[in-house]
Amino acid sequence: GAVVSQHPSRVICKSGTSVKIECRSLDFQATTMFWYRQFPKQSLMLMATSNEGSKATYEQGVEKDKFLINHASLTLSTLTVTSAHPEDSSFYICSAVVRDTKGAFFGQGTRLTVV
Amino acid sequence: AQKITQTQPGMFVQEKEAVTLDCTYDTSDPSYGLFWYKQPSSGEMIFLIYQGSYDQQNATEGRYSLNFQKARKSANLVISASQLGDSAMYFCAMSRSRLTFGEGTQLTVNP
Repeated sequence: GAVVSQHPSRVICKSGTSVKIECRSLDFQATTMFWYRQFPKQSLMLMATSNEGSKATYEQGVEKDKFLINHASLTLSTLTVTSAHPEDSSFYICSAVVRDTKGAFFGQGTRLTVV
Repeated sequence: AQKITQTQPGMFVQEKEAVTLDCTYDTSDPSYGLFWYKQPSSGEMIFLIYQGSYDQQNATEGRYSLNFQKARKSANLVISASQLGDSAMYFCAMSRSRLTFGEGTQLTVNP
């Protein structure tokens, strides 16, 4: 099946710094990618839809200036958590939908810890 | 708006037995897809099975089958011959353009 690679898998950063998470589609072109956030023991919550060559669409309640999304190519979307705070500590996971197939393919996820 | 409900926070099953994980949904869209994903403790999301709203037959993928009852708006996952490696969180999800997830069911397979 299609492969989505997410990097890094784990990151620890200091409060106030920014962290960039990359999501790559390795063997297909992804015009649309999705970014989710998952707190422990909870479900995945969609944060934003990343569209290649255009601005991301953010879900209600998600601060677009804090969670910067860039989808500069058909194989790469990045999520930057700016001025991270401990409450931003979470599991972030991206997915891509492959045209003419059913289902979304997920990256491995990134566990972010802000200290 | 779409909504997915999983009413079983936790389920236990003996190894080699079958287990059913419940999922109900609500949508006004005539066309939609229903998915089940498995999430082990590592966090990765593993696609298990898909059912389209117009599919006449219930989907099956190896030991996984989806009991799709459209009138009741339910899409239960049946895992046959449970294995210890099946212990994980299971999410039901619905999509028309993007995925909406249920709260998940933590399945534990006992030896």
